[in-house]
Amino acid sequence: EPEVTQTPSHQVTQMGQEVILRCVPISNHLYFYWYRQILGQKVEFLVSFYNNEISEKSEIFDDQFSVERPDGSNFTLKIRSTKLEDSAMYFCASEVPSGRAQEQYFGPGTRLTVT
Amino acid sequence: ILNVEQSPQSLHVQEGDSTNFTCSFPSSNFYALHWYRWETAKSPEALFVMTLNGDEKKKGRISATLNTKEGYSYLYIKGSQPEDSATYLCAFSAGQNFVFGPGTRLSVLP
Repeated sequence: EPEVTQTPSHQVTQMGQEVILRCVPISNHLYFYWYRQILGQKVEFLVSFYNNEISEKSEIFDDQFSVERPDGSNFTLKIRSTKLEDSAMYFCASEVPSGRAQEQYFGPGTRLTVT
Repeated sequence: ILNVEQSPQSLHVQEGDSTNFTCSFPSSNFYALHWYRWETAKSPEALFVMTLNGDEKKKGRISATLNTKEGYSYLYIKGSQPEDSATYLCAFSAGQNFVFGPGTRLSVLP
């Protein structure tokens, strides 16, 4: 069964460094999402992406964040200058486009630890 | 600010019991309501996506209903099994911005 994959599974970085989190969505999916969950808190929506551009983004998704689909298969989340509070589990998800909402398939997540 | 609530926060049931929990969401600008099952150390798994008021969906022993006018959805598990133990998340979307509830943590005791 096709699945969403994410790399790395765990990333440790120092405050102020840039990180890139990678996701490979399911191949025929065209909507992509990033979410995060800070330990002990709710899952939070970051951004949705369709047709090579951002569809929606939350207040969390400020200028420090960017997303890209560089080669038609990878979907990346870049955090330009990490802060301690960026430490969280980051999930990528993808969805088949349809006239109605469809199920999202989540990747296994990347645990980001900012020290 | 959109807010999604779930109750109860956690639940312990005996194997074989049936159970249900609630997701409350804003009744305006509704697009879809998603239910996910999230086991520890795994990624959330989609259970249902519901878009129409009165929708009822079923997958095996799990079913869900939707009331968009009053802003709630119920998830039912019939004859709970230990493998049903997980956190059940609901997420409300108005378009492609999702707001998740805090989840209901279910423990099914053998």
